[in-house]
Amino acid sequence: AQSVTQLGSHVSVSEGALVLLRCNYSSSVPPYLFWYVQYPNQGLQLLLKYTSAATLVKGINGFEAEFKKSETSFHLTKPSAHMSDAAEYFCAVTSNDYKLSFGAGTTVTVRA
Amino acid sequence: GAGVSQSPSNKVTEKGKDVELRCDPISGHTALYWYRQSLGQGLEFLIYFQGNSAPDKSGLPSDRFSAERTGGSVSTLTIQRTQQEDSAVYLCASSLFQGKDTQYFGPGTRLTVL
Repeated sequence: AQSVTQLGSHVSVSEGALVLLRCNYSSSVPPYLFWYVQYPNQGLQLLLKYTSAATLVKGINGFEAEFKKSETSFHLTKPSAHMSDAAEYFCAVTSNDYKLSFGAGTTVTVRA
Repeated sequence: GAGVSQSPSNKVTEKGKDVELRCDPISGHTALYWYRQSLGQGLEFLIYFQGNSAPDKSGLPSDRFSAERTGGSVSTLTIQRTQQEDSAVYLCASSLFQGKDTQYFGPGTRLTVL
């Protein structure tokens, strides 16, 4: 069985501030982990993925995430928020090779 | 290149009617997935195709839901005798191969059952 927990359904940050979105997973086998972003009325766009290579993963738009096995975490960060980062973010895990299990999502608002 | 496309983008139907949702995956992608996104349930896996076969239909909510894929390409998700609880955004994704390849998502079909 596999599952993901995203802590915080809403995060509000000031423009230029650090963005930190938390994701913890459970998996009975080594997981692959993903962060997707969803802009209003659009589908999901991949930000980055962890596939058991480097534990620090860099993605698009300045985002990165670190896989910490001891903490079963895969938190997403961006050093400096931009207005265009306002969106909903989903963490997902797969360990059975195809079925993605998603967290509940975190909505990010960016204050000017 | 072209991404995953879905049609229609919006569908409003009356309770009890049948609906068909279409997905065109990225050309050459062998695996195709359907997910459902609703306020109460979040993002849920529905069904997975490898080629034209569906090895895992475990996420289909009831026998009113069915899906097929033809020619290793286009897929159709059919919901018979729609109910109000079927209202959701239905997302399709494809990946090059099965396994842990990245899944690329389409824009979704928003289904509203009145």
